[in-house]
Amino acid sequence: QSALTQPRSVSGSPGQSVTISCTGTSSDVGGYNYVSWYQQHPGKAPKLMIYDVIKRPSGVPDRFSGSKSGNTASLTISGLQAEDEADYYCCSYGGSVIYVFGTGTKVTVL
Amino acid sequence: QITLKESGPTLVRPTQTLTLTCTFSGFSLTTSGVGVGWIRQPPGKALEWLAVIYWDDDKRYSPSLGSRVTVTGDTSKNQVLLTVTNMDPVDTATYYCAHRKGDFDYWGQGILVTVSS
Repeated sequence: QSALTQPRSVSGSPGQSVTISCTGTSSDVGGYNYVSWYQQHPGKAPKLMIYDVIKRPSGVPDRFSGSKSGNTASLTISGLQAEDEADYYCCSYGGSVIYVFGTGTKVTVL
Repeated sequence: QITLKESGPTLVRPTQTLTLTCTFSGFSLTTSGVGVGWIRQPPGKALEWLAVIYWDDDKRYSPSLGSRVTVTGDTSKNQVLLTVTNMDPVDTATYYCAHRKGDFDYWGQGILVTVSS
């Protein structure tokens, strides 16, 4: 099971929108609606931001949204804020009760 | 309130076996649908899923680590143990345990384990 592919970095100005892609295969991202996204600030543990492709846990701002098309899932941050600057990782169920994370994307707020 | 905390050695020698303990509170590993997973992150690198144990003692492991990884649960102590054999410097990473019910929704603070002679 190879890591899911994410862009190394994306950036945007405050108030803008950025989208992070997460590309897998039909055996993981494309095969199940079980993609989640995690935010990680430096030196901190990851935080769940999106689960089941599109769902937001309680307390996560609605600026964060998820979607999926084929073997690629996406996380969109609308109305970018300074505190959104962090690393983001996607994660997908890969069948047989195994999981695979993405390569990670650094979001920079200009 | 769900909390998890990893504990164990922070320095191991190459070829040694690493055993980490995840001590949790706020949930029971006997509750249907609940699991505890282990994820690691080498310095400056991406997250890597290692293993998960579920309420029914079902255990799953990352194919990339093969038989080197074992996870066990002690429901009486609210603990989950991770064992990794034949440690190598490339196994140097922060190791996290996380509560899973659907997704990894609560994480421990992580423990940095360095493999060096």
